[in-house]
Amino acid sequence: KAGVTQTPRYLIKTRGQQVTLSCSPISGHRSVSWYQQTPGQGLQFLFEYFSETQRNKGNFPGRFSGRQFSNSRSEMNVSTLELGDSALYLCASSSASGRANGELFFGEGSRLTVL
Amino acid sequence: TQLLEQSPQFLSIQEGENLTVYCNSSSVFSSLQWYRQEPGEGPVLLVTVVTGGEVKKLKRLTFQFGDARKDSSLHITAAQPGDTGLYLCAAKNNDMRFGAGTRLTVKP
Repeated sequence: KAGVTQTPRYLIKTRGQQVTLSCSPISGHRSVSWYQQTPGQGLQFLFEYFSETQRNKGNFPGRFSGRQFSNSRSEMNVSTLELGDSALYLCASSSASGRANGELFFGEGSRLTVL
Repeated sequence: TQLLEQSPQFLSIQEGENLTVYCNSSSVFSSLQWYRQEPGEGPVLLVTVVTGGEVKKLKRLTFQFGDARKDSSLHITAAQPGDTGLYLCAAKNNDMRFGAGTRLTVKP
């Protein structure tokens, strides 16, 4: 079956702009998580959605937001971009719910560069 | 402060050598996962360990979960260039958190 699809793969923005990233999970997966990956900080948890509800949120400012649609597709938005937002944004889907330790299936990521 | 501390941060070895990387925490986890990430791709699950003291083998990779379920190790025997990548440990409380990873380079 098709894997996790993230779009766009690469994008360049300037400071102050906003960006929307999209993630289509594996069919049947209802949990979608977003991570920011940078060389200095590693993988940092942004948020997790399950059945259109945000279940958990990491320690990121309010400029970072997300949502999940009824078909489990998810988007994340970053407003008022800063240079430090340059990173690889990874989406992961899972069939597990709650505290179950399900496998995360990652997409290839969206690489954002902020100039 | 990282919930999961991984060491070493970088490791460069010759093909055929053995290596061990570590994942440590002060927290107790019900399970722990190891992922490998190659350039341009997302992380891929290698193994999940659940029971304290558990040892799992995946070909030349041996994973161990500490008795107290606070730490884990990954041992690779006779490393090959194809083992090159970023090795990440991950554990879940309310959400899945990752260590910073060990970047392994195996030179031919």
